[in-house]
Amino acid sequence: DSGVTQTPKHLITATGQRVTLRCSPRSGDLSVYWYQQSLDQGLQFLIQYYNGEERAKGNILERFSAQQFPDLHSELNLSSLELGDSALYFCASSVRDLDTDTQYFGPGTRLTVL
Amino acid sequence: GNSVTQMEGPVTLSEEAFLTINCTYTATGYPSLFWYVQYPGEGLQLLLKATKADDKGSNKGFEATYRKETTSFHLEKGSVQVSDSAVYFCALKSGNQFYFGTGTSLTVIP
Repeated sequence: DSGVTQTPKHLITATGQRVTLRCSPRSGDLSVYWYQQSLDQGLQFLIQYYNGEERAKGNILERFSAQQFPDLHSELNLSSLELGDSALYFCASSVRDLDTDTQYFGPGTRLTVL
Repeated sequence: GNSVTQMEGPVTLSEEAFLTINCTYTATGYPSLFWYVQYPGEGLQLLLKATKADDKGSNKGFEATYRKETTSFHLEKGSVQVSDSAVYFCALKSGNQFYFGTGTSLTVIP
């Protein structure tokens, strides 16, 4: 158990809908990272927040947005969903900013778009 | 641009066999290189890392050497165990961006 929690574990929805994925980082971690893992694209870095501020942006679509709240939990919002958005979405956290080697990954949220 | 290419899987080996998973990269500047492991049903865990050319990362019997001349970071283990069955991801960090390979699934049979 990494200490990072993600809810929900599974989400099934329809095209055109909007969903929100939630991540609670490990106690004391200030950075949150979001990743998308799909069969055709592999694992892609989406976005990172540090202490409430956006710090790095990867291959995140305009239909997707994220934020980190004062209590440090983070939400990833996916809108106008398409079939291709079906994937496993991971959240990771770390103490430091832009820290790769001590990122702790959550178990993921599996999104299925029908 | 930056990218990571790793060998296609799946890879199936017998216990105690030698493992190599190839990884090559394209990067501007001087990236840091990583191997992550994902066990079934879990998130990724850092396995090892190297931050500059000729560095060797090692952990749990796994090794990888940062080779700038061949832009490679191949993962090796001398004797695999059934418990090593997992998906392995090669990754690089360049500036504030992270790039991952597509993952290589390894199954070790007794």
